[in-house]
Amino acid sequence: AQTVTQSQPEMSVQEAETVTLSCTYDTSESNYYLFWYKQPPSRQMILVIRQEAYKQQNATENRFSVNFQKAAKSFSLKISDSQLGDTAMYFCAFMIYSGDDMRFGAGTRLTVKP
Amino acid sequence: DSGVTQTPKHLITATGQRVTLRCSPRSGDLSVYWYQQSLDQGLQFLIQYYNGEERAKGNILERFSAQQFPDLHSELNLSSLELGDSALYFCASSVEGGLRDEQFFGPGTRLTVL
Repeated sequence: AQTVTQSQPEMSVQEAETVTLSCTYDTSESNYYLFWYKQPPSRQMILVIRQEAYKQQNATENRFSVNFQKAAKSFSLKISDSQLGDTAMYFCAFMIYSGDDMRFGAGTRLTVKP
Repeated sequence: DSGVTQTPKHLITATGQRVTLRCSPRSGDLSVYWYQQSLDQGLQFLIQYYNGEERAKGNILERFSAQQFPDLHSELNLSSLELGDSALYFCASSVEGGLRDEQFFGPGTRLTVL
């Protein structure tokens, strides 16, 4: 069974600083996708970034980047130059190629302080 | 605004009752997904439809059912409601329902069972 673990229930960071959110997963599959979703207070789910497991290069989207360590089954999210609008719940998610069942971690609540 | 609409926004009902949640996907999207977000279970995938047919099934209870209609909107039916069914129910849509497709989430329907 696939599981996703986010070990940091809450984190905070000062505006303009950098923060890293951790995610580990467990699977026996070799081909899969990993995602980070952001859920602001509005409760909307927004895709932040995604990584295909066969790609060694870490995905980057503007201020958001990931550190994908396939052997360690780790997929952390780095947010640079944090902004107040980054305050949200962040969910790590996992989906294997052969199925469409997306698994989510428990989430990390990030607060960006002015 | 993701382009996915969900109605109603809030729903309050009593145990034992039945409710229907509605989702309209983005224009052009053929696949619809349903997710449940609750405090104890976190964010869970329930079921996916593609062009009217069930494609994948996750942790969906037997008391719950869904369908996708010819106009591609989808309904999630929850029956014999229990207190534990209180949650935020998200619908998401994607173009073809494949793994490479980004899922766009609706604003969610908050269900409260009293």
